[in-house]
Amino acid sequence: AQSVTQLGSHVSVSEGALVLLRCNYSSSVPPYLFWYVQYPNQGLQLLLKYTTGATLVKGINGFEAEFKKSETSFHLTKPSAHMSDAAEYFCAVRDSGYSTLTFGKGTMLLVSP
Amino acid sequence: GAVVSQHPSWVICKSGTSVKIECRSLDFQATTMFWYRQFPKQSLMLMATSNEGSKATYEQGVEKDKFLINHASLTLSTLTVTSAHPEDSSFYICSANGGQETQYFGPGTRLLVL
Repeated sequence: AQSVTQLGSHVSVSEGALVLLRCNYSSSVPPYLFWYVQYPNQGLQLLLKYTTGATLVKGINGFEAEFKKSETSFHLTKPSAHMSDAAEYFCAVRDSGYSTLTFGKGTMLLVSP
Repeated sequence: GAVVSQHPSWVICKSGTSVKIECRSLDFQATTMFWYRQFPKQSLMLMATSNEGSKATYEQGVEKDKFLINHASLTLSTLTVTSAHPEDSSFYICSANGGQETQYFGPGTRLLVL
């Protein structure tokens, strides 16, 4: 069975600081990994994904994530936080043989001026 | 890009009534759609997988007679909450399988049952 662990329900950074949101997964087969962002009262927007190939993936809004198989991690980073980045971020995993996603519990990113 | 819409975005109903929520893929066809439920400050919980032209597959603990799912076309899936009660109040989000192994999500429907 798949599972996703997001460390920290809340992460606070100052505007301009590095953003690091952690995600670890467990999967019995090579996984597909996703990061989604959710703004209040809205659905989820895909930030980036890893399926195969290059382990460092770049997404929208300056975010990127690196798939590290040895660490079973897929941490999300952004060099410089912007106020508009404040939102909830969900990491999700999907086994390559299935269509359903398993989500982590989410991390709320707070950005202060 | 792939766009998924939901209607309505907000619905308030009386206890005992039924509510239908529509999920549409606007610019692509989706043989598979998903319905999620999200409680405040929590993650998404998969309720069911909706397959075009066949019965939905429900997750353990989800009452299929209460949450009726119909996927009549490649661009439309509906979720009907039958005989709604206050505990059914929640944020319901659908998604559709687009290309490249990606699910695209709708904006969500907030249901409040009085």
